Amino acid sequence: DTAVSQTPKYLVTQMGNDKSIKCEQNLGHDTMYWYKQDSKKFLKIMFSYNNKELIINETVPNRFSPKSPDKAHLNLHINSLELGDSAVYFCASSQLRGAGNTIYFGEGSWLTVV
Amino acid sequence: GESVGLHLPTLSVQEGDNSIINCAYSNSASDYFIWYKQESGKGPQFIIDIRSNMDKRQGQRVTVLLNKTVKHLSLQIAATQPGDSAVYFCAEADTGGFKTIFGAGTRLFVKA
Repeated sequence: DTAVSQTPKYLVTQMGNDKSIKCEQNLGHDTMYWYKQDSKKFLKIMFSYNNKELIINETVPNRFSPKSPDKAHLNLHINSLELGDSAVYFCASSQLRGAGNTIYFGEGSWLTVV
Repeated sequence: GESVGLHLPTLSVQEGDNSIINCAYSNSASDYFIWYKQESGKGPQFIIDIRSNMDKRQGQRVTVLLNKTVKHLSLQIAATQPGDSAVYFCAEADTGGFKTIFGAGTRLFVKA
């Protein structure tokens, strides 16, 4: 059973299109995230949701709109895709506790904008 | 500003040798530090963590050292194996927060 699953794994699309990436976690966690990893492997947080509420929005362009219908799902919709949006997008989840915050990542969605 | 960085972007070691991956952080408010391993085509996976009230923590073949005085974190891998080849990230967070900041990553190559 995959703990954090995201679809699609690969996505090739043209500039200007709108696309969505779906994410689900079956770990019972309250917190979910979207991270973006660029070609140099740098991982940057985009959004964080806790119990369906937006907690962190790291100055991401408003073309990116996350939606959390319930605490097990956090989808990412991207409007008017640009070449610079090409990256790997990782969904993740965690359960905050006093001892720390271990993040569990999905396998990633490879987005290529042409 | 906040930053977590690595001294070496790539590290090549001989199979069986010990590996040391270093990381510097700058946010004094961080009190929880984590190492993640990312294999090719996969998402990062938790390896080991350490809280700021500790300076050393050991796992199976891995040890994390924390030096708060110089804001330095290291990951030691004993008897490095080919399966250890991956990109390693250090990350920092505060235990009550939702934001984990990742460093730039170090690619570890293990030579047979």
